[in-house]
Amino acid sequence: DAGVTQSPTHLIKTRGQHVTLRCSPISGHKSVSWYQQVLGQGPQFIFQYYEKEERGRGNFPDRFSARQFPNYSSELNVNALLLGDSALYLCASIIAGHTTDTQYFGPGTRLTVL
Amino acid sequence: RKEVEQDPGPFNVPEGATVAFNCTYSNSASQSFFWYRQDCRKEPKLLMSVYSSGNEDGRFTAQLNRASQYISLLIRDSKLSDSATYLCVALLSGGSYIPTFGRGTSLIVHP
Repeated sequence: DAGVTQSPTHLIKTRGQHVTLRCSPISGHKSVSWYQQVLGQGPQFIFQYYEKEERGRGNFPDRFSARQFPNYSSELNVNALLLGDSALYLCASIIAGHTTDTQYFGPGTRLTVL
Repeated sequence: RKEVEQDPGPFNVPEGATVAFNCTYSNSASQSFFWYRQDCRKEPKLLMSVYSSGNEDGRFTAQLNRASQYISLLIRDSKLSDSATYLCVALLSGGSYIPTFGRGTSLIVHP
């Protein structure tokens, strides 16, 4: 069975540009969460989506947005990139999005903003 | 004060040692707790959920102390392969799903 897939694996952008990151959850999972992890820190929660609806939002500016598609895949968009957006972006697949559900993380997209 | 706090370490222990990590959380409405393991430049992977009654999985034991608002992870008979960063996670109860990770505790097990 395929696990969580994310694309691209690495990305280099310049300040001011925008970026779209993609995630496909485990088959049968209906919920996806997005995280930002900077070096030396734990993952910081950005969004959770369940059945195409936003279920949770972390403390991130409006430059960050996301959506979930009917096939449960998801995109994270970041506009007007800043140097501080350089991080590993992780997607987690959750079967139903309940607080007791296990999250399965994808390998992440490493974004570098120059 | 951070919502979930962990000692970043590193904890440097010999093989066979017993090591314990604590993680404190500030929001008493936190309902669900987990320990994740993250290897260098890899994604986090679930190690175990944490229940009020405590739970054990082989060499690993997790405990929750709601009165003092901390969770713990005990690793017995440490192996070289246990070297990793251990992340604790707290989730609030209610309709919104907002998990908070600690910054992680680094463990190095040496021969």
